[in-house]
Amino acid sequence: AQSVTQLGSHVSVSEGALVLLRCNYSSSVPPYLFWYVQYPNQGLQLLLKYTSAATLVKGINGFEAEFKKSETSFHLTKPSAHMSDAAEYFCAVSDSGTSYGKLTFGQGTILTVHP
Amino acid sequence: DSGVTQTPKHLITATGQRVTLRCSPRSGDLSVYWYQQSLDQGLQFLIQYYNGEERAKGNILERFSAQQFPDLHSELNLSSLELGDSALYFCASSPTGQPNNEQFFGPGTRLTVL
Repeated sequence: AQSVTQLGSHVSVSEGALVLLRCNYSSSVPPYLFWYVQYPNQGLQLLLKYTSAATLVKGINGFEAEFKKSETSFHLTKPSAHMSDAAEYFCAVSDSGTSYGKLTFGQGTILTVHP
Repeated sequence: DSGVTQTPKHLITATGQRVTLRCSPRSGDLSVYWYQQSLDQGLQFLIQYYNGEERAKGNILERFSAQQFPDLHSELNLSSLELGDSALYFCASSPTGQPNNEQFFGPGTRLTVL
């Protein structure tokens, strides 16, 4: 069975500071990995995904993530936080060994950005 | 706007009742997924359909059922509702239903059971 752990349910940064949201996964087969963002009262929007091509993945809004197999991690970073980045972020995994697209999500990290 | 539509946006009902949530996928997407988001359980996968056929099932309760119609829209039926069924229900769609597909999420239906 797959699982995702997001370290830190709340992260607070100052505007302009580095954003680092942590995600570790557990999977018996090489996974596909995703980061989604959820703004208040909205659905989820894909930020980026890893599907076994380049290990450093660039996404929308200046976010990127690096797949590290040895650490079973897929941490999300952004060099400089903006007030508009305040939202909840979800790391998710799907099983590359099946034809099912179901996503297993982490518990989410709420990002707060202070002026 | 993801292109996925869900109706209704809000639903308030009583325990023991039955409700139907509706989802229309993005144009061209053949696969539909249903997820439940609650404070205690987080985001949980319920069920996946591909071109009208059930493809994968998660921890979906027996009181819940779903289907995907020939025009590819999907409905999630929740019956004998309990207080604990109060949650945000998301529908998502993807082109082929494969695990490397991006899933496009609708705005959700917020169900409140009183």
